[in-house]
Amino acid sequence: KAGVTQTPRYLIKTRGQQVTLSCSPISGHRSVSWYQQTPGQGLQFLFEYFSETQRNKGNFPGRFSGRQFSNSRSEMNVSTLELGDSALYLCASSLPGLARIPDTQYFGPGTRLTVL
Amino acid sequence: AQSVTQLGSHVSVSEGALVLLRCNYSSSVPPYLFWYVQYPNQGLQLLLKYTSAATLVKGINGFEAEFKKSETSFHLTKPSAHMSDAAEYFCAVSRGSNFGNEKLTFGTGTRLTIIP
Repeated sequence: KAGVTQTPRYLIKTRGQQVTLSCSPISGHRSVSWYQQTPGQGLQFLFEYFSETQRNKGNFPGRFSGRQFSNSRSEMNVSTLELGDSALYLCASSLPGLARIPDTQYFGPGTRLTVL
Repeated sequence: AQSVTQLGSHVSVSEGALVLLRCNYSSSVPPYLFWYVQYPNQGLQLLLKYTSAATLVKGINGFEAEFKKSETSFHLTKPSAHMSDAAEYFCAVSRGSNFGNEKLTFGTGTRLTIIP
């Protein structure tokens, strides 16, 4: 099976611009989660989508948004970019999981966003 | 709220020596615990996970971890370090949910260096 793919792998933007990142989950996986990784804050949860619905959301401003399509592919969007948004953005996919037991999340290679 | 604390942001061991990476958790409900590894310019790869089935969990690449409720710990070990083990290691916790996956809360990571 192909792993989680993320496009693009690298992005350079300037302050004030907006950006859209894409994630294709492993075939058959219906849950997609997004994480931000920075040297200062580490790995932080952004949001999770399942069956096109946002189920969980982290503590990020409204400039960060996402969506999931019927084929489980997901996109996240960051509007009005700030310097502090420079980070590695990781996408992870998983099966729905059994009740209460979290299923393994498989991570993609990430998109490295640099804001100038 | 759940959290994990990884003791030691940098650990160095000689090739062939024991690897011990420490993780302590805090959780108000029975936790589900994970260890992930990240190689440079890559995403996260699951090493092993604890989902309450067995306290000693064996993972990939010769790693294992033991869940100790009395010590609120989930330390990662490997009997004999290999040069290819050099990477960053993250401990993570999830509380589980009746609705499937819950977010992962990560520790700050431990960078493992192997001395030839």
